[in-house]
Amino acid sequence: SAVISQKPSRDICQRGTSLTIQCQVDSQVTMMFWYRQQPGQSLTLIATANQGSEATYESGFVIDKFPISRPNLTFSTLTVSNMSPEDSSIYLCSVRRANTEAFFGQGTRLTVV
Amino acid sequence: TQLLEQSPQFLSIQEGENLTVYCNSSSVFSSLQWYRQEPGEGPVLLVTVVTGGEVKKLKRLTFQFGDARKDSSLHITAAQPGDTGLYLCAGSRAGNTPLVFGKGTRLSVIA
Repeated sequence: SAVISQKPSRDICQRGTSLTIQCQVDSQVTMMFWYRQQPGQSLTLIATANQGSEATYESGFVIDKFPISRPNLTFSTLTVSNMSPEDSSIYLCSVRRANTEAFFGQGTRLTVV
Repeated sequence: TQLLEQSPQFLSIQEGENLTVYCNSSSVFSSLQWYRQEPGEGPVLLVTVVTGGEVKKLKRLTFQFGDARKDSSLHITAAQPGDTGLYLCAGSRAGNTPLVFGKGTRLSVIA
């Protein structure tokens, strides 16, 4: 298993500002994933955070809007830039070792006003 | 295109009733996982099924993986209010690739 600490757990932000979400894992993992979850909906993958290389973004998500850092094998950040109310959502980080189940942080509930 | 079709999306039942949630795909997965998520929390793993035809039981929950490893079901017997939550199926392909999630089933069990 893996213990994932994600912070902040929630925030209310003004439109036009940026928020950086941190994700700390208790052990080294090759890949970390960032998801967005709209209220009552399933998870949508934003990007895969690779250590030592640029993140890989899914269709509909771009680096300028969601820059990701991965400085080492236990830590990653996701920034939501130039926020608008449409960015209000839950953001989740996740880790997965090869051929095993995924583990999730508790999520960051973001409200943009 | 939703690679994993999960149904039903919403389910409201009385305490004591049985229910089944389905997860179907045209793709083959190396394994399939079921998660349960409560408000304010991340998804928590319930079970992983790996072998085609596999059946796993977790107290009142029974999970089945289709013979062809393309579909799965979750059956809850005698549902209780504590079973209320969002149930997510997720398919895994080989290697360290991200999971493919279904749209989820929001279950409400009324006392």
